[in-house]
Amino acid sequence: SSELTQEPAVSVALGQTVTITCQGDILRNYYASWYQQKPGQAPVLVIYGKNNRPSGIPDRFSGSISGNTASLTITEAQAEDEADYYCNSRDTSGYHLTFGGGTKVTVL
Amino acid sequence: RLQLQESGPGLVRPSETLSLTCTVSGGSLSSSGYYWAWIRQRPGKGLEWIGTLYLSGSTYYNSSLKSRVTISMDTSDQHFSLTLNSVTAADTAVYYCARVEKGDANNYYFFYFYMDVWGTGTPVTVSS
Repeated sequence: SSELTQEPAVSVALGQTVTITCQGDILRNYYASWYQQKPGQAPVLVIYGKNNRPSGIPDRFSGSISGNTASLTITEAQAEDEADYYCNSRDTSGYHLTFGGGTKVTVL
Repeated sequence: RLQLQESGPGLVRPSETLSLTCTVSGGSLSSSGYYWAWIRQRPGKGLEWIGTLYLSGSTYYNSSLKSRVTISMDTSDQHFSLTLNSVTAADTAVYYCARVEKGDANNYYFFYFYMDVWGTGTPVTVSS
């Protein structure tokens, strides 16, 4: 299956750590990338590959992968981290891409 | 710094053709190694990959849209385009263009893709 499954919503207290997951068989062979999207804005790449952050992304964002699950961790979450987060990966068709359904992160 | 900007009509009639353009600035559409993609987001929904284009002209499309979609590029004019035929209300969405980079394979994982630069998005409504 090329589907990616994410939890619909999670919440985290300000300053605490939250991990969101992305599950799918394709993750056994391909890394995921993670995107942050705030209301009314375009998505922004936050993590790609094994655990790479683009320039300008705070180091409180980190990624990992194990088996069929990729994870995005936000350490010491800030109010500005409240957003929707999407994972994405190749699918078994080769050059096709697929997104997870997204996780809404609420910072309390 | 590379920037992408989508443009096109905000309103399209049902059964007609949607045509959008993504203009590349601050970099070259002809740069080797990059792919270029269209993604859309229906109101209140998640992101949906539409398709990807490589400099060679190779295209890859979402199977659910493949019969209606074409992505092409004009390197001389620094833009690439999306055409979606026979639109319905279900095609109402914000459409984004993005640059796609290819990540290297290693001993455990095959090569992968990620979208490192996005346009701001353009809303399209399909309605009569």
